[in-house]
Amino acid sequence: EPEVTQTPSHQVTQMGQEVILRCVPISNHLYFYWYRQILGQKVEFLVSFYNNEISEKSEIFDDQFSVERPDGSNFTLKIRSTKLEDSAMYFCASTLRQNTEAFFGQGTRLTVV
Amino acid sequence: GESVGLHLPTLSVQEGDNSIINCAYSNSASDYFIWYKQESGKGPQFIIDIRSNMDKRQGQRVTVLLNKTVKHLSLQIAATQPGDSAVYFCAENSNDYKLSFGAGTTVTVRA
Repeated sequence: EPEVTQTPSHQVTQMGQEVILRCVPISNHLYFYWYRQILGQKVEFLVSFYNNEISEKSEIFDDQFSVERPDGSNFTLKIRSTKLEDSAMYFCASTLRQNTEAFFGQGTRLTVV
Repeated sequence: GESVGLHLPTLSVQEGDNSIINCAYSNSASDYFIWYKQESGKGPQFIIDIRSNMDKRQGQRVTVLLNKTVKHLSLQIAATQPGDSAVYFCAENSNDYKLSFGAGTTVTVRA
C-alpha cells in the first residue's frame, strides 16, 4: 500500500537554528500539506501546496516557515529560526484530488531546546 | 468562527460492545468529513469519510452518520476490540485546501 514517508522521525535542535523536515508524498498525489500537533492537542493545519505554490496557509505559518518541492518526489518544510514553541509533531499529508482522503505520514517529532 | 469539536474527550468501552463517538461542527459550508484514528506516536490513519449528500456510510465494523440539520457527525464502531484503543478525530474540509480537526476522543477498550 502506498504511504507518505517522513524523515527524520525525531529532530532535536537548538533554539534559533534552522530545521528542514522532509516528506515523500504518495507518488501520484497532487496536493500536499503540513500539519502539526502539539503534545496532547489536536492536529492543526499549517499549509497546503499545489502546482508548485502555496494554496492556503494558517496564521501559524508565518515568515519563519517555508515549503518547497525541490524535485518530483520530495516536499519539505523549513523553519528558519526555531522557537521553543515550535516543538511538536509535524505531519505531512497528501491527496490525489481536493476533498479526498488525506494520507498522513508517521510524523517528525521536533524538539527545540 | 468555524470549529470542529467532540462532545466527550474520553470513552471507556467494554471489549465486544459498540462504541459511539460524537462530533459537532459549526461550518455549514463544509461538504466533506473524515474520521481518523491516531495511535500513540503515529500519524492519523483514515477510517471512513462521508460527503454532505449522504447521511450514512458504512465500512468494515464502522459506520459514520451525518446530520446536517444539527451539524453533527458520529462514528460507530461495532464489536470494539482492544486494537481500537486510540484517539479518534473528526475532520471537516474548511475549504478546498485544508482539513480542520476536532479535539479528539480517547477511546479505551476494557478487556
